Amino acid sequence: QTVVTQEPSLTVSPGGTVTLTCASSTGAVTYGHFPNWFQQKPGQAPRSLVSSTDNRHSWTPARFSGSLLGGKAALTLSGVQPDDEAEYFCLLYYGAAQVFGGGTKLTVL
Amino acid sequence: QVQLVQSGAEVKKSGASVKVSCKASGYTFNRYGITWVRQAPGQGLEWMGWISPDNGHTDYAQNLQGRVTMTTDTSTTTAYMELRSLRLDDTAMYYCVRSQGDINFDHWGQGTLVTVSS
Repeated sequence: QTVVTQEPSLTVSPGGTVTLTCASSTGAVTYGHFPNWFQQKPGQAPRSLVSSTDNRHSWTPARFSGSLLGGKAALTLSGVQPDDEAEYFCLLYYGAAQVFGGGTKLTVL
Repeated sequence: QVQLVQSGAEVKKSGASVKVSCKASGYTFNRYGITWVRQAPGQGLEWMGWISPDNGHTDYAQNLQGRVTMTTDTSTTTAYMELRSLRLDDTAMYYCVRSQGDINFDHWGQGTLVTVSS
């Protein structure tokens, strides 16, 4: 059973920078896992932010950036705004199956 | 603009089946996959599987094999997800998501709440 692990919660100050990570129980996350990142606010459907590690969608603010960092997928938010308070999920590709991380609740305080 | 519009909320008894639809518009339906994701109340996201409208290829999550079937109707650009032998823990919001093949996700449907009762 493959497990994808994210920080359960993080807190950041407005204007600050925070990095969320996404680790795989099978080993290092690579470009071949095609990491995707999603944002979800309470009562709303998730919204796609980043696909294939580091590709932002047209609606994704430039302050969100995806990367690989230390064997994990990472989502860095720079210049955090109050509106960024949400839950963030990553998704990793394992061939014929994909697995979501448990999500990171980001508090902007 | 790309839109995925899902069918309305469903209430089912345990043991019954449910079929959720996802009507796609604003793009060439055959060129993108449709992935299904569910979220139990207060829980995280769960990948259920995906289908290629181009050739009907499907991959399903191992824990749903034998109970789930994903199909598409290219004439109406609609994707369907049927889940059988419903259990109480199938109560969740079900989402369809457009994907490039099965790896890059962009547009989401608004979600369909399926409630399973005893």
